[in-house]
Amino acid sequence: KAGVTQTPRYLIKTRGQQVTLSCSPISGHRSVSWYQQTPGQGLQFLFEYFSETQRNKGNFPGRFSGRQFSNSRSEMNVSTLELGDSALYLCASSTHSTSGSYNEQFFGPGTRLTVL
Amino acid sequence: GDSVTQMEGPVTLSEEAFLTINCTYTATGYPSLFWYVQYPGEGLQLLLKATKADDKGSNKGFEATYRKETTSFHLEKGSVQVSDSAVYFCALIISGAGSYQLTFGKGTKLSVIP
Repeated sequence: KAGVTQTPRYLIKTRGQQVTLSCSPISGHRSVSWYQQTPGQGLQFLFEYFSETQRNKGNFPGRFSGRQFSNSRSEMNVSTLELGDSALYLCASSTHSTSGSYNEQFFGPGTRLTVL
Repeated sequence: GDSVTQMEGPVTLSEEAFLTINCTYTATGYPSLFWYVQYPGEGLQLLLKATKADDKGSNKGFEATYRKETTSFHLEKGSVQVSDSAVYFCALIISGAGSYQLTFGKGTKLSVIP
């Protein structure tokens, strides 16, 4: 079974530009979460999608947005890039639990975004 | 809010040494606890987990016990190998909250030298 894939793996942008990152979850997984990883702040939750709906959002400005498609693939977008947005962006997918219990999240390799 | 505190690294050990990485947490509800590992250039992999008090998670020689009384989930391994060199993250999630938001510690970089 293929794992979580993220594209592109590396990206270089300049301040003020916008960027779109893509995540393809494991087949059958309908929940997709995004995390930002930086040396200073560590791993921080961005948002989580299930069935094309955002269920939860972390404490990030509105420049960070996302969406999920009917095939569970997800994209995240960052507009008006700032130097501080340089980070590794990780996507994770999981199956959906109807009982409220936790199902393991499987992480992709990440997209390394550098803002110059 | 929920938070995880783990010992800052880096930690450098000789091969076959004993490893302990401390992790404590604060949580608004009843958390499930995890250790994730990140090898260079890769994403996170779940190493082990525990979902209720006194549970012991174990995998690949690593162990951690969910201690509710001390709000801790320390990672241990009796004999580390060079291949264990990686960054280790302690994390929690609130069970039954309907949210898949993991809260992570800052990570501990482990280097094992031959």
